[in-house]
Amino acid sequence: EAQVTQNPRYLITVTGKKLTVTCSQNMNHEYMSWYRQDPGLGLRQIYYSMNVEVTDKGDVPEGYKVSRKEKRNFPLILESPSPNQTSLYFCASSWSGQNTGELFFGEGSRLTVL
Amino acid sequence: AQTVTQSQPEMSVQEAETVTLSCTYDTSESDYYLFWYKQPPSRQMILVIRQEAYKQQNATENRFSVNFQKAAKSFSLKISDSQLGDAAMYFCAYVFGLDSGYALNFGKGTSLLVTP
Repeated sequence: EAQVTQNPRYLITVTGKKLTVTCSQNMNHEYMSWYRQDPGLGLRQIYYSMNVEVTDKGDVPEGYKVSRKEKRNFPLILESPSPNQTSLYFCASSWSGQNTGELFFGEGSRLTVL
Repeated sequence: AQTVTQSQPEMSVQEAETVTLSCTYDTSESDYYLFWYKQPPSRQMILVIRQEAYKQQNATENRFSVNFQKAAKSFSLKISDSQLGDAAMYFCAYVFGLDSGYALNFGKGTSLLVTP
C-alpha cells in the first residue's frame, strides 16, 4: 500500500529535550516536505527536499532541522523544543519537485511541548 | 505576498443538498495549480480535486466540482448531494513555483457541517 508513515503520532515532551519525528514514504517520491498546522493559520511549510541531499527552508524553519540521506526518509529534528512548537505536524511527498500532482500526506504527528 | 483566502470559516449544509465553498488567491504567475484538500476528524489530509490553471475547463470528481475563474483569481468548490461523510475541514491550496520550493500555500480552512 502506497503511504507516508510518520512516527510518533502523539508525543508530549518538555522544553529543551531533543526529539525526532520520522517520515518514510514507499512510493519512490523525489519531493518531500514538512508542514505544521496550527488553529487559524492553516498549514505552513517548514522544510522541503527536492531529492536526496537537497533540502531547503520553507516559511517557518526556525527551530527545526531536517536531513535527506535516503530517498524514502525525511526526518524532522527539533534540537531544543519550545512550547511554541506545540503543533500538528504533517510530512508529505510527491513525484517531483514541481508538485503538480497529488501531494501525499502522512497521518500527522501531534506534538506537545511543556 | 501570494496568499490564499477562504472567507467562510464555517459552513453548514443539509444532507443531499448542494454547498459551495469559496476560495480566492493572489498570484502574479500565469501557470500554476490549485487544489482542494479535505481533512476529516481523523486529521488525514485527502486530496479532493485539482485544477491546472492553463485548463479552462473546470475540474470535476464525482460529486465535487470547481468553478475556476482565472481572471478573478477565484476557485470555489461545489459539493453536490452532500453526505454525512463530507463533514470535514476543507482547505484550498495553491502551489508556488521553484523559488518557493513548490510549497502548497494553504488557506485557513472552512469547516463544513452536514446535518441530517
